[in-house]
Amino acid sequence: EAGVAQSPRYKIIEKRQSVAFWCNPISGHATLYWYQQILGQGPKLLIQFQNNGVVDDSQLPKDRFSAERLKGVDSTLKIQPAKLEDSAVYLCASKPTSGDYNEQFFGPGTRLTVL
Amino acid sequence: AQTVTQSQPEMSVQEAETVTLSCTYDTSESDYYLFWYKQPPSRQMILVIRQEAYKQQNATENRFSVNFQKAAKSFSLKISDSQLGDAAMYFCAYRSALGNNNDMRFGAGTRLTVKP
Repeated sequence: EAGVAQSPRYKIIEKRQSVAFWCNPISGHATLYWYQQILGQGPKLLIQFQNNGVVDDSQLPKDRFSAERLKGVDSTLKIQPAKLEDSAVYLCASKPTSGDYNEQFFGPGTRLTVL
Repeated sequence: AQTVTQSQPEMSVQEAETVTLSCTYDTSESDYYLFWYKQPPSRQMILVIRQEAYKQQNATENRFSVNFQKAAKSFSLKISDSQLGDAAMYFCAYRSALGNNNDMRFGAGTRLTVKP
């Protein structure tokens, strides 16, 4: 079974620029998460999707962050404009609709550096 | 809000020895799940072990076991016969079992070094 795919693995931009990250969850997983992991901290949930609907985006800085999952499969996370404090690893995770429903499967993450 | 605390930023263990990583959490809920995730330098978060709060028996997974103390809100991870491949960041995480909100709360992590 293929895992959660993310791209790019690394991205360096200057502040005030825009950036987008892509996530392809495990096939058949209805639930998708985006996490932000700042260096030295644990991951923090940004947004949760169930199919193509948003379940929880209470911790998403909506003035600059946006995310979508139009067809209930792939998802993109965008930052516009980026700030220095957005430097972090952005992790995508997905969860199956049946079976071991408690486990989230994580992708390798995208490391963003904002200069 | 639920919080997860890992009080050991770094731990070190000799290969083949045993090490225990600490985790405490704060919640008013009675039904929840606890997890330990491993994050190697590749950044891929890998589930190590999980515990359902309603189960009194401590979870075990090969060389990994937990000491779940519900009343004390403690969830420590014991790694036996440590191997070089166990070196990584370890994160303790909490998730409520109620409703559709699967928000996973993570601790700040413990960096484990394994010495040959």
